[in-house]
Order: sequence, then C-alpha cells, then structure tokens
Amino acid sequence: DIQMTQFPSSLSASVGDRVTITCRASQNIEKYLNWYQQRPGKAPKLLIYAASTFQGGVPSRFSGSGFGTDFTLTISTLQPDDSATYYCQQSYSTPHTFGQGTKLEI
Amino acid sequence: EVQLVQSGAEVKKPGESLRISCKTSGYNFATYWIGWVRQKPGKGLEWMGIIYPRDSDTQYSPSFQGQVTISVDKSISTAYLQWNSLKASDTAMYYCARHVAPDTTMVGFEYWGQGSLVTVSS
Repeated sequence: DIQMTQFPSSLSASVGDRVTITCRASQNIEKYLNWYQQRPGKAPKLLIYAASTFQGGVPSRFSGSGFGTDFTLTISTLQPDDSATYYCQQSYSTPHTFGQGTKLEI
Repeated sequence: EVQLVQSGAEVKKPGESLRISCKTSGYNFATYWIGWVRQKPGKGLEWMGIIYPRDSDTQYSPSFQGQVTISVDKSISTAYLQWNSLKASDTAMYYCARHVAPDTTMVGFEYWGQGSLVTVSS
C-alpha cells in the first residue's frame, strides 16, 4: 500500500493568515492526489483533485500543487469557516489511502 | 441533483450480521465507481473499497478484504456494505461516496452520503 503522511498533524492560525499543509506519498503517485475538508459531524468535502484541479464551488483561497511524492494545500487568507480537519488521499493505486489528517484551528 | 442517502444508525451485538445501504439518484448509477470509507470515533478516514456498478468489479483494501462485502443492486441504484459477523472494533461511522467522473477511480470522491453510524456492543 502507498503510505500518505501529512504534516503538521495540527496547527493554529488566525483569520487572514496563509497556511500550508503538506502531504507526502511513500512512492510516486504522479498527479493523483486529492484534498478534503471535514468539519465536525459532517461528511468530508472534496476541495481539490488531481493535485491542483478545483472542485466546483470551492473558494479560490484554496489551492493545491505538487507532483510525484510531495504535495501542498495552501489556504491563502484564512476565514473562520476554514476551521476543520484536512485530509489528503492518493487515487493512483488501490487502496486509495488517506493521510492521517491535519486539524486546523482558527 | 446527485444524492447519496444512507440507511440509518444501527446498534448490533458482536457476532451479528448487518447490511447498510447507500441509495443514489440524479446520475447514471452504472458508470460511476462508488466507495466506502470508515471513520472510527475521533479518528481519520480509512478507504475500505470501491465497486463499479456496471459489472460489479470490486476492489478492497487489504485491511478490509474478507471482513466486509461491497455489493450493488443496479435496479434500485443502491450500494451496500455488509458484515457477516460484527466485532466491537467495527464501531464507526461509514460513508459511501461517488467519484468525480465516470468510468475512472483516479479522481476524488465528489459526492458523499450523510454517513451511517454502526455501534457494536454487547
């Protein structure tokens, strides 16, 4: 299985800050990396797929980049609504493993 | 409008069997892979497996292979997750989810069910 490692596992930031979450795959996954946001008690929400393709309706302050083994999710100007746990997931080969999550507190 | 509506919460005893459902609507059920994701209380997301309704091609995570069965009923656009003998460690929220695009798994899960909470306790 491909292992996905996210860091940091948690972070605290303020409204207006720029934050970056990193995800590293244990092997080359090309561009097949997805990012999700999960608020407490809710189902995950897809933010970005294929490393940098926006899912419809996602605010433009979210962006993704990377290829191969190293990927980042950047939130350019934090809003209170962004408080959530963020997960990366590789969809290069099954099982489509998730990272352990990054809890963002604002 | 695409919708995935899951069956309700279940409370079961160890050793009992269970099947939970994910009824879909608003799209061509046969052509989109559907997956199941587990989330234990306070923990992260775990990919369990996926199924392609057109031909019931199924891929499981090794962690769940032999522990659960994923199936579909195309006639009612519904996917299922089944256990033959539940354990206390199966206590979790289970989500079904549909991929972004048809006929491929190499994209994320765009649409999610609301989750089915399964509690296994003696």
